[in-house]
Amino acid sequence: GESVGLHLPTLSVQEGDNSIINCAYSNSASDYFIWYKQESGKGPQFIIDIRSNMDKRQGQRVTVLLNKTVKHLSLQIAATQPGDSAVYFCAENKAGYSTLTFGKGTMLLVSP
Amino acid sequence: DTAVSQTPKYLVTQMGNDKSIKCEQNLGHDTMYWYKQDSKKFLKIMFSYNNKELIINETVPNRFSPKSPDKAHLNLHINSLELGDSAVYFCASKRGTEAFFGQGTRLTVV
Repeated sequence: GESVGLHLPTLSVQEGDNSIINCAYSNSASDYFIWYKQESGKGPQFIIDIRSNMDKRQGQRVTVLLNKTVKHLSLQIAATQPGDSAVYFCAENKAGYSTLTFGKGTMLLVSP
Repeated sequence: DTAVSQTPKYLVTQMGNDKSIKCEQNLGHDTMYWYKQDSKKFLKIMFSYNNKELIINETVPNRFSPKSPDKAHLNLHINSLELGDSAVYFCASKRGTEAFFGQGTRLTVV
Protein backbone atom coordinates (compact mmCIF):
# COMPACT_ATOMS: atom_id res chain seq x y z
CA GLY A 1 0.00 0.00 0.00
CA GLU A 2 0.98 3.61 -0.25
CA SER A 3 -0.04 6.78 1.36
CA VAL A 4 -0.06 10.42 0.47
CA GLY A 5 -0.90 12.72 3.27
CA LEU A 6 -1.70 16.29 4.01
CA HIS A 7 -2.01 15.51 7.73
CA LEU A 8 -0.12 12.73 9.43
CA PRO A 9 -1.23 9.64 7.54
CA THR A 10 -0.55 6.16 8.74
CA LEU A 11 0.65 3.27 6.64
CA SER A 12 0.15 -0.16 8.18
CA VAL A 13 1.98 -3.12 6.71
CA GLN A 14 2.86 -6.66 7.63
CA GLU A 15 6.42 -7.65 8.37
CA GLY A 16 8.13 -8.70 5.17
CA ASP A 17 5.97 -6.51 2.92
CA ASN A 18 7.41 -3.71 0.85
CA SER A 19 6.42 -0.21 1.95
CA ILE A 20 6.06 2.91 -0.15
CA ILE A 21 5.91 6.31 1.48
CA ASN A 22 5.12 9.32 -0.70
CA CYS A 23 5.88 12.99 -0.49
CA ALA A 24 4.95 15.98 -2.63
CA TYR A 25 7.22 19.01 -2.69
CA SER A 26 6.60 22.49 -3.93
CA ASN A 27 9.99 24.12 -4.44
CA SER A 28 11.37 23.42 -7.90
CA ALA A 29 14.60 25.19 -6.89
CA SER A 30 15.53 22.47 -4.41
CA ASP A 31 18.88 20.89 -5.19
CA TYR A 32 18.51 17.80 -3.08
CA PHE A 33 15.95 15.87 -1.10
CA ILE A 34 16.32 13.76 1.99
CA TRP A 35 14.33 11.16 3.85
CA TYR A 36 14.39 11.06 7.63
CA LYS A 37 13.13 8.50 10.11
CA GLN A 38 11.91 9.56 13.53
CA GLU A 39 11.34 6.94 16.20
CA SER A 40 9.25 7.70 19.25
CA GLY A 41 11.07 9.95 21.69
CA LYS A 42 14.03 10.53 19.38
CA GLY A 43 15.20 13.09 16.89
CA PRO A 44 14.95 12.59 13.12
CA GLN A 45 17.61 10.30 11.67
CA PHE A 46 19.01 10.55 8.14
CA ILE A 47 18.09 7.65 5.87
CA ILE A 48 19.01 8.57 2.32
CA ASP A 49 19.25 11.58 0.06
CA ILE A 50 18.97 12.23 -3.65
CA ARG A 51 20.23 15.09 -5.79
CA SER A 52 17.77 16.87 -8.03
CA ASN A 53 19.65 15.71 -11.14
CA MET A 54 18.92 12.08 -10.29
CA ASP A 55 15.69 10.12 -10.47
CA LYS A 56 16.61 7.07 -8.40
CA ARG A 57 18.98 6.15 -5.65
CA GLN A 58 19.30 2.93 -3.73
CA GLY A 59 20.56 2.22 -0.26
CA GLN A 60 20.37 -0.76 2.02
CA ARG A 61 16.75 -1.98 1.73
CA VAL A 62 15.65 1.52 0.72
CA THR A 63 15.13 3.17 -2.65
CA VAL A 64 14.25 6.79 -3.22
CA LEU A 65 12.54 7.86 -6.44
CA LEU A 66 12.31 11.45 -7.60
CA ASN A 67 9.84 12.62 -10.22
CA LYS A 68 10.55 16.27 -10.90
CA THR A 69 7.78 16.56 -13.48
CA VAL A 70 5.10 16.13 -10.84
CA LYS A 71 7.30 17.18 -7.88
CA HIS A 72 6.95 13.84 -6.20
CA LEU A 73 9.34 11.89 -4.01
CA SER A 74 8.91 8.37 -2.69
CA LEU A 75 10.71 6.10 -0.28
CA GLN A 76 10.48 2.38 -0.83
CA ILE A 77 11.44 0.05 1.99
CA ALA A 78 11.97 -3.57 1.06
CA ALA A 79 11.11 -6.42 3.41
CA THR A 80 9.78 -4.07 6.07
CA GLN A 81 10.68 -5.01 9.64
CA PRO A 82 9.06 -4.07 12.98
CA GLY A 83 12.09 -1.88 13.66
CA ASP A 84 11.11 0.24 10.67
CA SER A 85 8.05 1.48 12.57
CA ALA A 86 8.48 5.24 12.88
CA VAL A 87 7.40 8.56 11.39
CA TYR A 88 9.07 9.26 8.05
CA PHE A 89 9.70 12.76 6.74
CA CYS A 90 10.84 14.04 3.42
CA ALA A 91 12.87 17.24 3.41
CA GLU A 92 14.17 19.52 0.71
CA ASN A 93 17.10 21.84 0.50
CA LYS A 94 16.76 24.94 -1.62
CA ALA A 95 19.80 25.56 -3.78
CA GLY A 96 22.11 28.12 -2.22
CA TYR A 97 20.56 27.82 1.22
CA SER A 98 21.55 25.61 4.11
CA THR A 99 18.08 25.16 5.60
CA LEU A 100 16.14 21.93 5.31
CA THR A 101 12.39 22.32 4.88
CA PHE A 102 10.44 19.33 6.10
CA GLY A 103 7.22 17.93 4.73
CA LYS A 104 4.48 16.52 6.89
CA GLY A 105 5.38 13.06 8.11
CA THR A 106 3.93 9.63 7.50
CA MET A 107 3.67 7.12 10.30
CA LEU A 108 4.68 3.58 9.32
CA LEU A 109 3.38 0.78 11.49
CA VAL A 110 4.81 -2.69 10.93
CA SER A 111 3.06 -5.62 12.52
CA PRO A 112 4.78 -8.98 13.02
CA ASP B 1 29.61 9.53 21.98
CA THR B 2 26.58 11.71 21.34
CA ALA B 3 26.97 13.79 18.20
CA VAL B 4 24.33 16.42 19.04
CA SER B 5 23.24 16.70 22.64
CA GLN B 6 20.48 18.85 24.10
CA THR B 7 19.66 19.65 27.69
CA PRO B 8 17.26 19.35 29.33
CA LYS B 9 15.26 16.55 27.72
CA TYR B 10 12.10 17.64 29.53
CA LEU B 11 11.19 21.12 30.70
CA VAL B 12 7.98 22.05 32.48
CA THR B 13 7.51 25.69 33.39
CA GLN B 14 4.87 28.29 34.06
CA MET B 15 3.65 30.95 31.68
CA GLY B 16 5.68 34.12 31.78
CA ASN B 17 8.93 32.43 32.80
CA ASP B 18 12.20 32.67 30.91
CA LYS B 19 14.02 29.46 30.04
CA SER B 20 16.99 28.21 28.04
CA ILE B 21 17.72 25.02 26.15
CA LYS B 22 21.33 24.11 25.51
CA CYS B 23 22.75 22.36 22.47
CA GLU B 24 26.23 21.09 21.75
CA GLN B 25 27.63 19.23 18.75
CA ASN B 26 30.98 17.46 18.62
CA LEU B 27 30.98 16.91 14.86
CA GLY B 28 32.84 20.03 13.88
CA HIS B 29 29.98 21.19 11.68
CA ASP B 30 29.68 24.81 10.70
CA THR B 31 25.89 24.96 10.50
CA MET B 32 23.48 24.46 13.38
CA TYR B 33 19.72 24.76 13.59
CA TRP B 34 16.78 24.93 15.92
CA TYR B 35 13.52 23.28 14.86
CA LYS B 36 10.14 23.25 16.58
CA GLN B 37 7.95 20.16 16.31
CA ASP B 38 4.29 20.63 17.12
CA SER B 39 1.73 18.12 18.31
CA LYS B 40 1.06 17.07 14.71
CA LYS B 41 4.75 16.21 14.26
CA PHE B 42 5.32 19.10 11.86
CA LEU B 43 8.96 20.26 11.94
CA LYS B 44 9.41 23.98 11.45
CA ILE B 45 12.77 25.70 11.11
CA MET B 46 13.31 28.43 13.69
CA PHE B 47 16.94 29.45 13.33
CA SER B 48 19.94 28.57 11.28
CA TYR B 49 23.49 29.48 12.31
CA ASN B 50 26.49 29.22 10.04
CA ASN B 51 29.89 29.99 11.54
CA LYS B 52 28.17 31.81 14.40
CA GLU B 53 26.26 34.09 12.08
CA LEU B 54 22.47 33.97 12.02
CA ILE B 55 21.48 33.44 8.43
CA ILE B 56 17.77 32.62 8.62
CA ASN B 57 15.08 33.57 11.11
CA GLU B 58 11.74 32.16 10.03
CA THR B 59 9.16 34.61 11.44
CA VAL B 60 9.84 33.46 14.96
CA PRO B 61 8.67 35.78 17.76
CA ASN B 62 11.46 37.87 19.20
CA ARG B 63 10.85 36.19 22.56
CA PHE B 64 13.04 33.46 21.08
CA SER B 65 16.71 34.21 20.73
CA PRO B 66 19.56 31.90 19.72
CA LYS B 67 22.93 32.32 21.38
CA SER B 68 26.10 30.79 20.00
CA PRO B 69 29.14 31.18 22.29
CA ASP B 70 31.23 29.12 19.88
CA LYS B 71 30.87 26.95 16.78
CA ALA B 72 30.00 23.86 18.82
CA HIS B 73 27.13 25.40 20.76
CA LEU B 74 23.79 26.92 19.85
CA ASN B 75 21.55 27.65 22.80
CA LEU B 76 17.93 28.74 22.64
CA HIS B 77 16.59 31.35 25.04
CA ILE B 78 12.89 31.91 25.40
CA ASN B 79 11.44 34.86 27.27
CA SER B 80 7.92 35.28 28.63
CA LEU B 81 6.85 31.76 27.80
CA GLU B 82 3.34 31.23 26.44
CA LEU B 83 1.10 28.18 26.34
CA GLY B 84 1.57 27.96 22.58
CA ASP B 85 5.29 27.50 23.02
CA SER B 86 4.66 23.97 24.27
CA ALA B 87 6.32 21.67 21.75
CA VAL B 88 9.39 19.56 21.19
CA TYR B 89 12.44 21.59 20.19
CA PHE B 90 15.23 19.98 18.21
CA CYS B 91 18.75 21.15 17.69
CA ALA B 92 20.64 19.92 14.63
CA SER B 93 23.94 20.39 12.89
CA LYS B 94 24.80 19.81 9.25
CA ARG B 95 27.63 19.43 6.83
CA GLY B 96 26.86 18.62 3.23
CA THR B 97 23.49 16.97 2.82
CA GLU B 98 23.22 15.15 6.12
CA ALA B 99 21.82 16.82 9.21
CA PHE B 100 22.23 15.28 12.66
CA PHE B 101 19.52 15.92 15.22
CA GLY B 102 19.58 15.94 18.98
CA GLN B 103 17.12 13.90 21.00
CA GLY B 104 14.82 16.87 21.48
CA THR B 105 13.60 18.92 24.43
CA ARG B 106 9.95 18.57 25.32
CA LEU B 107 8.81 21.93 26.62
CA THR B 108 5.51 22.11 28.46
CA VAL B 109 4.18 25.50 29.50
CA VAL B 110 1.48 25.41 32.16
